[in-house]
Amino acid sequence: DGGITQSPKYLFRKEGQNVTLSCEQNLNHDAMYWYRQDPGQGLRLIYYSQIVNDFQKGDIAEGYSVSREKKESFPLTVTSAQKNPTAFYLCASMTHRGTDTGELFFGEGSRLTVL
Amino acid sequence: AQKITQTQPGMFVQEKEAVTLDCTYDTSDPSYGLFWYKQPSSGEMIFLIYQGSYDQQNATEGRYSLNFQKARKSANLVISASQLGDSAMYFCAMREGPRTSYDKVIFGPGTSLSVIP
Repeated sequence: DGGITQSPKYLFRKEGQNVTLSCEQNLNHDAMYWYRQDPGQGLRLIYYSQIVNDFQKGDIAEGYSVSREKKESFPLTVTSAQKNPTAFYLCASMTHRGTDTGELFFGEGSRLTVL
Repeated sequence: AQKITQTQPGMFVQEKEAVTLDCTYDTSDPSYGLFWYKQPSSGEMIFLIYQGSYDQQNATEGRYSLNFQKARKSANLVISASQLGDSAMYFCAMREGPRTSYDKVIFGPGTSLSVIP
């Protein structure tokens, strides 16, 4: 089945360590997005990529980095510069082919806890 | 700058009754899309309904309808005949730009809906 796979589902890290969250899609979607969600709050956009080898900052990009070397993959690195990285991270993709709405398709999320 | 407001942090509704979840948005772009998503306690995000800024009619999808008032920049979600499985967080979202664009999509803070038996 086509979909978006995020890994790991749960991740613990010590302060000062970088960590990379994986996001892979086999939907052949052009655009990919990373969001952060804190408890009881909405989703905030970290980065998004409309095409391979290009990406744009969202509203809370500081302390995060991304790459888009392949259409299928959009990994997110949470660096030690991110002051409060404990959160639920959601990856999503979007296409406009064969759809009238262009909605986001989401992965199941990765829950990062900094100890 | 884009902004989404959902003024109801929490809502209760009796099973089988209808409920309206409010959403207002702010944008200067004449072309945009509005979305509603449902997030159960499991954390998955479920797409419910879409309204384009140039769509003449309000969107409907089964028990979900979107009350789109463009002049007021309002896009309220109406859930008819509520079911226990409707208990979840509901998020309003907006994408600026035409339907074919891959621009940023922003979300509101959400409304927690609880359906009472």
